[in-house]
Amino acid sequence: DGGITQSPKYLFRKEGQNVTLSCEQNLNHDAMYWYRQDPGQGLRLIYYSQIVNDFQKGDIAEGYSVSREKKESFPLTVTSAQKNPTAFYLCASSMTGEGGYTFGSGTRLTVV
Amino acid sequence: GDSVTQMEGPVTLSEEAFLTINCTYTATGYPSLFWYVQYPGEGLQLLLKATKADDKGSNKGFEATYRKETTSFHLEKGSVQVSDSAVYFCALSTFNTDKLIFGTGTRLQVFP
Repeated sequence: DGGITQSPKYLFRKEGQNVTLSCEQNLNHDAMYWYRQDPGQGLRLIYYSQIVNDFQKGDIAEGYSVSREKKESFPLTVTSAQKNPTAFYLCASSMTGEGGYTFGSGTRLTVV
Repeated sequence: GDSVTQMEGPVTLSEEAFLTINCTYTATGYPSLFWYVQYPGEGLQLLLKATKADDKGSNKGFEATYRKETTSFHLEKGSVQVSDSAVYFCALSTFNTDKLIFGTGTRLQVFP
């Protein structure tokens, strides 16, 4: 079945370390997105990519980096510059012109 | 700019009660409208959508009608179940971009 896979489901990081969250889709979708969700809060856009080798900053890109070397993959790196990284991270993808996203099941990152 | 406004939660109901979650939007052009549902610890799932005025989206007993005259897309269900307890997000996308704009989410709690 086609879908979007995020891994790992839970991730613990020590302060000062970079960590990379994986997002893979086999839906042949053109666009991919990363969102951050804090407890009881809505979604905030971190980065998005509409085509391979191109991506744009969202509303809260500081302290994060991404790459889009393959259509299927859009990994997110949370760097040590991100001051408050503990959150639930959601990846999504969409097909150009069809509207609507398919979401992954999320990665919960905790800084210890 | 484009935006989505949802009623604040939590919405607390008894099983079999009628549900309405209000959603209004501001957009240039002719947006597509969506409702997503998020169960605890999971990603978002598309619940229903409508792409033009007067369209009615429906799924799993939930309905929403695209009202251009009132710029609204209220979510309704005639008889809620405990299993409907989740957070519901209203969202829009305009015709020239696939990027979704989300509301802040409304938590629904249904008690037996």
